[in-house]
Amino acid sequence: DTAVSQTPKYLVTQMGNDKSIKCEQNLGHDTMYWYKQDSKKFLKIMFSYNNKELIINETVPNRFSPKSPDKAHLNLHINSLELGDSAVYFCASRFASGGHNEQFFGPGTRLTVL
Amino acid sequence: AQSVAQPEDQVNVAEGNPLTVKCTYSVSGNPYLFWYVQYPNRGLQFLLKYITGDNLVKGSYGFEAEFNKSQTSFHLKKPSALVSDSALYFCAVRDRRKDRLAFGKGNQVVVIP
Repeated sequence: DTAVSQTPKYLVTQMGNDKSIKCEQNLGHDTMYWYKQDSKKFLKIMFSYNNKELIINETVPNRFSPKSPDKAHLNLHINSLELGDSAVYFCASRFASGGHNEQFFGPGTRLTVL
Repeated sequence: AQSVAQPEDQVNVAEGNPLTVKCTYSVSGNPYLFWYVQYPNRGLQFLLKYITGDNLVKGSYGFEAEFNKSQTSFHLKKPSALVSDSALYFCAVRDRRKDRLAFGKGNQVVVIP
């Protein structure tokens, strides 16, 4: 009964490949996020979607493209993978109405680019 | 832009002793403040939050935090630490006018048996 789920949990791939990470939440939330956690554990917001509309788009290379087919899903597609893309990627969700609502995080996807 | 400072990299504490993890914040308006915990190879779990009202907030697993507006701090505390509290703790702040959560760099807590 996972609230926020991500697939795959681990992703090992070669430089230059294209890969996708999927995220689904069953909490009925209207806002979803992608974060990147680097090797030093810093968490950085990448994107957020509210009701399938892009709200936050940080200075992320345009090789990263989020897609939200519906409110419950936010996928992340990465083109032409680079070594520096190796990190743990977390999906999160919350109700946006009421800024005090906390975010719920998925278990993370560990991406390793060789 | 809002930001959070967690000045210590690692906090070591003996089991049974009080645990404090420090956090100061910077935000232009009134803040919403959060603490999250991350266990190894897991996602972040929500611990507690400050919205308004009582400055002392109680959360999960016996943790609490005190909001101090004059010192712009939101330190996390637990009266008696357990070995199972060993984890990475993140403080976060949201400007009430924006949907953007700024995280601190995290504090590794090590509880020594």
